[in-house]
Amino acid sequence: NAGVTQTPKFQVLKTGQSMTLQCAQDMNHEYMSWYRQDPGMGLRLIHYSVGAGITDQGEVPNGYNVSRSTTEDFPLRLLSAAPSQTSVYFCASSYSTRGTGSSGANVLTFGAGSRLTVL
Amino acid sequence: DQQVKQNSPSLSVQEGRISILNCDYTNSMFDYFLWYKKYPAEGPTFLISISSIKDKNEDGRFTVFLNKSAKHLSLHIVPSQPGDSAVYFCAASLYGNKLVFGAGTILRVKS
Repeated sequence: NAGVTQTPKFQVLKTGQSMTLQCAQDMNHEYMSWYRQDPGMGLRLIHYSVGAGITDQGEVPNGYNVSRSTTEDFPLRLLSAAPSQTSVYFCASSYSTRGTGSSGANVLTFGAGSRLTVL
Repeated sequence: DQQVKQNSPSLSVQEGRISILNCDYTNSMFDYFLWYKKYPAEGPTFLISISSIKDKNEDGRFTVFLNKSAKHLSLHIVPSQPGDSAVYFCAASLYGNKLVFGAGTILRVKS
C-alpha cells in the first residue's frame, strides 16, 4: 500500500516557468489537500478538494491552480513560478469530508514532500 | 494572524526524562486538536488527537492535555527516547478537514 505519493521530490525552476507537482493516493480517500511548509510558518493550506470535480481555496492559494478529475489524483500547478514559491510542498488525504456536527478527528495522511526552489 | 501558536522553536531533553511541548490557540470554535511528528525528508505523521470536550487523551508514552479556558494544549512524552527527536506540529480543526498548523517545535532527545 503506497499511501500518498508525490513527484518530483526535488525541482529547481527559473522565475516565470510553469510546472506541476503530482499527488496520487491509493486509499480511496475523498479529501485531498496541498500544504506548503516554510520556516517559522508551519504548514499552510493552499488548496483542497472534497471529492472528484470539487476544489476550493485554502489560506494561501495565489499563484497555484488545482483540479480533481479522479479520486486518486490531485495535481498542483504553478503557472508562473516566483521566488516566493520556494518551499516544501506536502500533499495530504483523508477518508471523510466532515461537515458540521460530525464526530471524530479527521486524520490526514501526508506524502513525503516535494522541495521546490525558484531562482 | 496565527490561530495556532507554538512559541518554543526548540526543546532539548535528556533521554528518559519528560518532554513537554506546548501549543496555544485563539479560536474557541476549534473542535479537535492533533499533534503530528515529522522527521527530516519525510511527511508529517499523526501522533495523537484530542476532542475539545475532553481534557486529556493518552496513548502509550504520549499524553495530550487540553485547557480550554486558557486555550492551551500540551503534549507530554514520558519517558523520552532518542527516536522521539523530530519536529512536532500542533494542529486544530474547525468542523472539517482543514487543519490549521502551528510553526512546529524541534525536539532533541539526548542520550
